[in-house]
Amino acid sequence: KAGVTQTPRYLIKTRGQQVTLSCSPISGHRSVSWYQQTPGQGLQFLFEYFSETQRNKGNFPGRFSGRQFSNSRSEMNVSTLELGDSALYLCASSYASISGQETQYFGPGTRLLVL
Amino acid sequence: QQQVKQSPQSLIVQKGGISIINCAYENTAFDYFPWYQQFPGKGPALLIAIRPDVSEKKEGRFTISFNKSAKQFSLHIMDSQPGDSATYFCAAPGTRDRGSTLGRLYFGRGTQLTVWP
Repeated sequence: KAGVTQTPRYLIKTRGQQVTLSCSPISGHRSVSWYQQTPGQGLQFLFEYFSETQRNKGNFPGRFSGRQFSNSRSEMNVSTLELGDSALYLCASSYASISGQETQYFGPGTRLLVL
Repeated sequence: QQQVKQSPQSLIVQKGGISIINCAYENTAFDYFPWYQQFPGKGPALLIAIRPDVSEKKEGRFTISFNKSAKQFSLHIMDSQPGDSATYFCAAPGTRDRGSTLGRLYFGRGTQLTVWP
């Protein structure tokens, strides 16, 4: 079974631009979560989508947004990029069973550098 | 407020030794405790996980010990190998409605493990 895939793997942008990152979950997984990883703050939760609906949201400004499509693929968008947005953006998928206790499987991430 | 506190920040162990990483949490509603391993340039990969109804879980050289009363859990890596050199994260899921998705994971700050040959 193929793992979580993220595109692009690397991205360089300048301040003020916007960026869209893509995530394809493991086949059959319905939940997609996004995390930001930086050396200073570690792994921080951005948001989670399930059945095209945002279920949970972390403490990030409105410049960070996302969506999920009917095939469970997800995108996240960051508008008006700031230098501090430079980070590794990780997508994780899970099956989301009725028990609510599911493993999250991470993709390789998209490394974003904002100049 | 950090939901999961992890220590040490870095750890150097000789090949064949035991690596021990500790995590502490506050929220007694946490009901699932995974450990992730991350190599440079890769995303975190699930290593082993435990639920609070057991005190220990072992998978190969990796063991999680769980102390519910102390709200602590730890990862033990027996016979540490140079290939184990990576960053390890403990985590716990946020509270959620029963039957909903896993939701967010709160991660510890990570432990960079170096195993000398």
